[in-house]
Amino acid sequence: DVKVTQSSRYLVKRTGEKVFLECVQDMDHENMFWYRQDPGLGLRLIYFSYDVKMKEKGDIPEGYSVSREKKERFSLILESASTNQTSMYLCASSLFDQPQHFGDGTRLSIL
Amino acid sequence: AQKVTQAQTEISVVEKEDVTLDCVYETRDTTYYLFWYKQPPSGELVFLIRRNSFDEQNEISGRYSWNFQKSTSSFNFTITASQVVDSAVYFCALSESFYNQGGKLIFGQGTELSVKP
Repeated sequence: DVKVTQSSRYLVKRTGEKVFLECVQDMDHENMFWYRQDPGLGLRLIYFSYDVKMKEKGDIPEGYSVSREKKERFSLILESASTNQTSMYLCASSLFDQPQHFGDGTRLSIL
Repeated sequence: AQKVTQAQTEISVVEKEDVTLDCVYETRDTTYYLFWYKQPPSGELVFLIRRNSFDEQNEISGRYSWNFQKSTSSFNFTITASQVVDSAVYFCALSESFYNQGGKLIFGQGTELSVKP
């Protein structure tokens, strides 16, 4: 079974902090994604990557950056956390011809 | 522009009732994939089904069935004889690329289904 592991289920940080959310997949998937989920808005794509060291902006990249130095790891970075970034963050991975598999999510609170 | 609409924000049913979750999509592409995912309270999205735009056959998997109609741009999901374990948020999604179905997805807003005993 595909396993997508997010480093934390719950995280509390303060405004202005630099925050790192880590995601690791164990199935050699090319594609990796970061979404945020907010009530009434569904899932919105922040960034994605189709290969190592490659990254592309999704629909809401402002205030975020990403890093993919190794194929199995895709990190989401909040450069200077703000309260409007309080949300559920979901990581996913996939092969190009297969559906995306999701991690358990990280519920991030910015105080 | 591509868009997925799930007009039902919340649905509440009593166990053993049948329930249909609606999904309407917009795309200018003639080839695409559609998906349904389930998100139980634990938080992880679980893949349920994908359909490609060439295949309009309905699909049944146990108590779950899917009705894909290109003429109305709809991909509805029916649960027969619902159970408490079906309580979850359900998302419909559209692939941005037919040739990279594992790539970018456009998600609907989600429908929260509550099945009461």
